[in-house]
Amino acid sequence: KAGVTQTPRYLIKTRGQQVTLSCSPISGHRSVSWYQQTPGQGLQFLFEYFSETQRNKGNFPGRFSGRQFSNSRSEMNVSTLELGDSALYLCASSPTLGEDTGELFFGEGSRLTVL
Amino acid sequence: GDSVTQMEGPVTLSEEAFLTINCTYTATGYPSLFWYVQYPGEGLQLLLKATKADDKGSNKGFEATYRKETTSFHLEKGSVQVSDSAVYFCALRGYTGGFKTIFGAGTRLFVKA
Repeated sequence: KAGVTQTPRYLIKTRGQQVTLSCSPISGHRSVSWYQQTPGQGLQFLFEYFSETQRNKGNFPGRFSGRQFSNSRSEMNVSTLELGDSALYLCASSPTLGEDTGELFFGEGSRLTVL
Repeated sequence: GDSVTQMEGPVTLSEEAFLTINCTYTATGYPSLFWYVQYPGEGLQLLLKATKADDKGSNKGFEATYRKETTSFHLEKGSVQVSDSAVYFCALRGYTGGFKTIFGAGTRLFVKA
């Protein structure tokens, strides 16, 4: 079974631009979460989607948005990029929304550099 | 809100040494607890988990026990190997306005041959 796939793996943008990152979950998984990983802040929760609905959101400004499609694939978008948005963006999928298993399956991440 | 605190690194050990990485949490209700590991250049992968108090999770020689009375989930391994060098994240999954997995800051482990 294929793992979580994130594209692109690496990208460089300049301040003020916007970026869209894509995540394809493991087949059959309906929940997708996004995290921002930086050396100073560690792993910060961005949002979680289940059945095309955002179920929870972290403490990030409105420049960060996401969506989930009917095939469970998800995208996140960051508008008006700032230098501080440089990070590794990780996507994780899980079979269900509940905490009964709770295990997250992570992709390798999309590394964004903002110049 | 929910939070996870784990010991700061880096931790440097010699091969075959005993490893402990401390993790404590704050949460409402009864969260599930996890340890994830991140090897260089890779995403996180689950190492072990425990879903209720007094459960012991174990995998690849690592183990951790869910201690509700001390709100802790310390990671231990009796004899580390060079291949265990990685970043270890303690995490909890609970329900606060929606399901959410919260991670600690991560502890980098270096194992010397």
